[in-house]
Amino acid sequence: DVKVTQSSRYLVKRTGEKVFLECVQDMDHENMFWYRQDPGLGLRLIYFSYDVKMKEKGDIPEGYSVSREKKERFSLILESASTNQTSMYLCASSPGWDFIIPSSNTFGSGTRLTVV
Amino acid sequence: QKEVEQDPGPLSVPEGAIVSLNCTYSNSAFQYFMWYRQYSRKGPELLMYTYSSGNKEDGRFTAQVDKSSKYISLFIRDSQPSDSATYLCAMSGVKLSFGAGTTVTVRA
Repeated sequence: DVKVTQSSRYLVKRTGEKVFLECVQDMDHENMFWYRQDPGLGLRLIYFSYDVKMKEKGDIPEGYSVSREKKERFSLILESASTNQTSMYLCASSPGWDFIIPSSNTFGSGTRLTVV
Repeated sequence: QKEVEQDPGPLSVPEGAIVSLNCTYSNSAFQYFMWYRQYSRKGPELLMYTYSSGNKEDGRFTAQVDKSSKYISLFIRDSQPSDSATYLCAMSGVKLSFGAGTTVTVRA
């Protein structure tokens, strides 16, 4: 069964800390995505990557960075966590086609981050 | 203006009722139209998707797409308490664009 695994289900961090959220996929997918999900706002794309060491800004990249050193791993970094980054973070992956085929796009279970 | 608009609800219906959900969108380039279901504390799971205008049925679920009006719908017939979840519409081009999600509660 294909899988996208996010390393932590729940995290509590202090304001100003550097935070790493990790995502690993075992499907050999080229594309990987980081979203945040907030009530009433749905899923918003933070960053995505279509290849190793490649990254593209999504709709809300401010305050975040990403790293993709290996094909299977995509990390989201909060350089200096703030309370407005308290949210559910979801990782996803899909094959590297021109557009996303729904049946091939897989989400992780999410990391609920609380910044205090 | 958001690319995808979806009423966040919440929506509460009695068991056995028809649940009607819809989204509007502005980008004509979208290729696929999807509905995801998300249970509490879980990631979204793909429920149904369509590629073109028209209807698609899968058991108690029917998805409709009207590209001329830029409007998509999801209907759940004979709703069950296990259908209680957040339903998100999404559309894809190079990336996915999501609606806000509608929280549905089916009362036993």
